Amino acid sequence: AQKITQTQPGMFVQEKEAVTLDCTYDTSDPSYGLFWYKQPSSGEMIFLIYQGSYDQQNATEGRYSLNFQKARKSANLVISASQLGDSAMYFCAMRDLTGFQKLVFGTGTRLLVSP
Amino acid sequence: EAQVTQNPRYLITVTGKKLTVTCSQNMNHEYMSWYRQDPGLGLRQIYYSMNVEVTDKGDVPEGYKVSRKEKRNFPLILESPSPNQTSLYFCASSLQDRGLETQYFGPGTRLLVL
Repeated sequence: AQKITQTQPGMFVQEKEAVTLDCTYDTSDPSYGLFWYKQPSSGEMIFLIYQGSYDQQNATEGRYSLNFQKARKSANLVISASQLGDSAMYFCAMRDLTGFQKLVFGTGTRLLVSP
Repeated sequence: EAQVTQNPRYLITVTGKKLTVTCSQNMNHEYMSWYRQDPGLGLRQIYYSMNVEVTDKGDVPEGYKVSRKEKRNFPLILESPSPNQTSLYFCASSLQDRGLETQYFGPGTRLLVL
């Protein structure tokens, strides 16, 4: 069965510093996708970054990068140069073909960026 | 603008009064899905649809119904809402081929059942 684990309920970081949000996953399907979503206090779910299981390189989108370690089944999100607007909940999610493409979410990490 | 829309955004109702939350996407996506979000549990899938007239249960389908009569719309129906269905609901959609495309989410519907 698919499972996503986010062990950090909350993280603090100072503005302009980098922060890593942890995510580990479990699936028996060799083909899967890993996603990170941001949920600000307004509630919407904003897609940030995607990593495919067969991608050779780690995904990067602006200040977001995904540290993908397949053997360890981890997909950590790295936010560089944090900004006050990065304060939000962050969800790691996975999608595979055996699960009829549903997204399985972790419980989230709340990030607070301080001035 | 490509988007997923949900209505209403906020709803307060009473136990047993049937309600429908609408979801519509303008991206010609085949795959649509409903999730509920509860504190400490993340998002859990309620129902999904692979295409028109093709729907199936997700992880928490009890108390909900859906229909997919046309590609763009995927309403969520609560025939007899109960307080344990108080939650934040999201509709999502994505392309469906053999890939694992990103799901795009609607803005969410906050439901309170008294």
